[in-house]
Amino acid sequence: AQRVTQPEKLLSVFKGAPVELKCNYSYSGSPELFWYVQYSRQRLQLLLRHISRESIKGFTADLNKGETSFHLKKPFAQEEDSAMYYCALTRWDNNNDMRFGAGTRLTVKP
Amino acid sequence: DAGVTQSPTHLIKTRGQQVTLRCSPKSGHDTVSWYQQALGQGPQFIFQYYEEEERQRGNFPDRFSGHQFPNYSSELNVNALLLGDSALYLCASSLNLRDTPNTEAFFGQGTRLTVV
Repeated sequence: AQRVTQPEKLLSVFKGAPVELKCNYSYSGSPELFWYVQYSRQRLQLLLRHISRESIKGFTADLNKGETSFHLKKPFAQEEDSAMYYCALTRWDNNNDMRFGAGTRLTVKP
Repeated sequence: DAGVTQSPTHLIKTRGQQVTLRCSPKSGHDTVSWYQQALGQGPQFIFQYYEEEERQRGNFPDRFSGHQFPNYSSELNVNALLLGDSALYLCASSLNLRDTPNTEAFFGQGTRLTVV
């Protein structure tokens, strides 16, 4: 069964510190992994996806198939990064059924 | 482009009643998915509509049904409401995967349903 686990509900760091939001998944096929972000009073929006291999707003995420992880990282956190972050998974050839983790609320303190 | 729009934004219903939620997809999108997000949880997939048909369904009872219109807008209907149906209901639109691989899903602001 597809499952996404985000072990930390809350994460707090100081501005300028590195940040890592953890995501582990279980899936028997070839997954496509995503990170979605929801800023205060805004809608859920795509931050990045592993197939793009992009760095968005300084964030990167590497798919580690051996450890079945897709952790989100940023070397220097900014206050505007404070938001709710969701890791999500679909089959690579079927985006119909997207499975989300429970989310991690990141707070970046000044 | 207003993006994905949902109505109403908030709704209060009594247990046992029926509710209809509405979604207009982003301009140019033909595929609509619905999600339920309970408090403190991530969104859970309910179903997806394409070409006016339900293409895939998550683990939700038949009390949850939907419809897609020729203009690609969609409705989510929930019958015999339970207290546990209280949640934020999200609509997401995208292009059909077969025509546009790796298409991105765009989410609406959601409808907050409270069942009392």
